[in-house]
Formats: sequence, C-alpha cells, structure tokens
Amino acid sequence: SQKIEQNSEALNIQEGKTATLTCNYTNYSPAYLQWYRQDPGRGPVFLLLIRENEKEKRKERLKVTFDTTLKQSLFHITASQPADSATYLCALSNTGTASKLTFGTGTRLQVTL
Amino acid sequence: DAGVTQSPTHLIKTRGQQVTLRCSPKSGHDTVSWYQQALGQGPQFIFQYYEEEERQRGNFPDRFSGHQYPNYSSELNVNALLLGDSALYLCASSLRGTTYSNQPQHFGDGTRLSIL
Repeated sequence: SQKIEQNSEALNIQEGKTATLTCNYTNYSPAYLQWYRQDPGRGPVFLLLIRENEKEKRKERLKVTFDTTLKQSLFHITASQPADSATYLCALSNTGTASKLTFGTGTRLQVTL
Repeated sequence: DAGVTQSPTHLIKTRGQQVTLRCSPKSGHDTVSWYQQALGQGPQFIFQYYEEEERQRGNFPDRFSGHQYPNYSSELNVNALLLGDSALYLCASSLRGTTYSNQPQHFGDGTRLSIL
C-alpha cells in the first residue's frame, strides 16, 4: 500500500540555521508533491508545489527538491526564525484536476533563539 | 476575501448519533474536499465534490456522506458515530484546473468532533 514517511520526532533548530525536513514515499508514483504548514488548532496552509519533472523549487526562504528515483523530497527553510515553528506536512497527488492529496504524518519543527 | 469557513468549530456527540458539518469554500473556488485528521496524524482524504457530485472517495465507509450545493458550499454527514470518529474534520477548496494541472488546496480551520 502507499506509504509516506516523515520524521515523527520533532526537529529542533537554532534560529538562523537551515532546517531540512524529509519526505519519503513508497508504492506511489506521484505527479505532484506539495508542502503544507500546520499550526496547532489550525488547518494546513499551502507553501509550495513541485511537479514530477521538476528537480527544485524555491520561494523566498523555502526550497523543495523532488527526486523521483530516490522517492524523496527535501524541504529546506533557510535562516530559520521562531515564527517558523510549526508542523510541516508533505502531500502527494496524481494527475487530474484538484486531485485528492495523500498526506504524511508531518514533522514538528521547533526553532529556538 | 474570505477564506474557507467551517462550522461549528467544536462539537460533542455520543456514540450512535449523527452529525452534519458545514463548509463554505473560498470565493471563486468550485471544488470541495473533506479530510479527517486524527491526533498526531496527517489528514486523510474522505471525498471530493465538484458540480454537486461526489467525484473521488477515499477509504471511508458509507456512514460518511456529503453534499454540495449550487453555491459550492458543502456538508459532511456522518451516521452511527463511533468513538474512532473523534477527529478534526477539515474542508479544503480549490479551483478545478485544466486536466493536467494541480491546484493547491485551501483549508479551513476544521471542526473538532469529540465522540463520548
């Protein structure tokens, strides 16, 4: 069955450092991979989308890579700030309009001063 | 510009009861999806509505049903509630793009459903 794995343990990072979060998947050939941020008691907020034929995508301090051979995506936040503390979810989907998302369990990021 | 709104924010029910959750999509969006998020887990896809019809469904029993109205708002109904139905129920809206595009989902803040 399809499986998406994210680090279940929280990631603790010092302010100013680069945070790197991992998303691995098996038994899946996604056309799209998305990253969302979720704060406690709130719904997920879209951050970045990358397509299967793209290797890398950037948006301000965020960077995502997508390696379909390794079946892995890396999500980087450079110059981390305490305000970046949240749970980050990766989500996969196939072709088709507004396709259903299959989410990982998320990784909690804590950025300390 | 209002985003996705869900009601109620919290709900407490007992086993065997029925519940209806409501969602208004972001302005301009025509597709609504529902997700269930258990504590400490990622959201799980329940189903998706477009043009008032269920278009895709996840691995959820028939106790879970939905509806979409002509104004694109949607309802999620759950019958014969079980303790395991306790979760955060999220509604997400998007604009149905072209065949090979994929649109980001805009989520509401969910309804926290507790079953006693």
